[in-house]
Amino acid sequence: GENVEQHPSTLSVQEGDSAVIKCTYSDSASNYFPWYKQELGKRPQLIIDIRSNVGEKKDQRIAVTLNKTAKHFSLHITETQPEDSAVYFCAVEAGTALIFGKGTTLSVSS
Amino acid sequence: GAVVSQHPSWVICKSGTSVKIECRSLDFQATTMFWYRQFPKQSLMLMATSNEGSKATYEQGVEKDKFLINHASLTLSTLTVTSAHPEDSSFYICSALIGPSGYGYTFGSGTRLTVV
Repeated sequence: GENVEQHPSTLSVQEGDSAVIKCTYSDSASNYFPWYKQELGKRPQLIIDIRSNVGEKKDQRIAVTLNKTAKHFSLHITETQPEDSAVYFCAVEAGTALIFGKGTTLSVSS
Repeated sequence: GAVVSQHPSWVICKSGTSVKIECRSLDFQATTMFWYRQFPKQSLMLMATSNEGSKATYEQGVEKDKFLINHASLTLSTLTVTSAHPEDSSFYICSALIGPSGYGYTFGSGTRLTVV
């Protein structure tokens, strides 16, 4: 089955810095790659997604890049703010289900 | 649009009893739904995929006799944890496809199950 690796597991940055989280996957047939932000005890919230026919997508301070050949994709957050502090999960659509990475705890200090 | 309502949001039950969790799609027909389990500070682990009107497909290591999934209509999927034990205490989240593959997913608000 699909194997999703996510790094780093924790990331601490200063307010205003950039943060990058990377994920790799194993199934070359996968075509949909969303990123979620989850606060404690809440449902995951989609922050950005990318499909395999696109190499990069940007939404204000958030961007995702995809390298299908290398089977990895990354989340980029610029000008981080304290409210960006949360757990972030990458996911890969395998068949019809989403398989999640292990998560990255991002801490933004002011 | 594409809202999934999950109930209850939290439940406490005694060991040996069964607990039912419901997920309803409010404004769309959810042909395919998914159930995840999330332990504290861990990721969402896929338990099973359910398709309306057919048996659920369970992931390896998930006991289908313990975690009963029913998807009898296009708007309702249920997860019943049978003979619950303290190790079943976890956060359970349902999800549904909102369209064809690659169109995205919507998530329920989750159920915190505590077995005492």
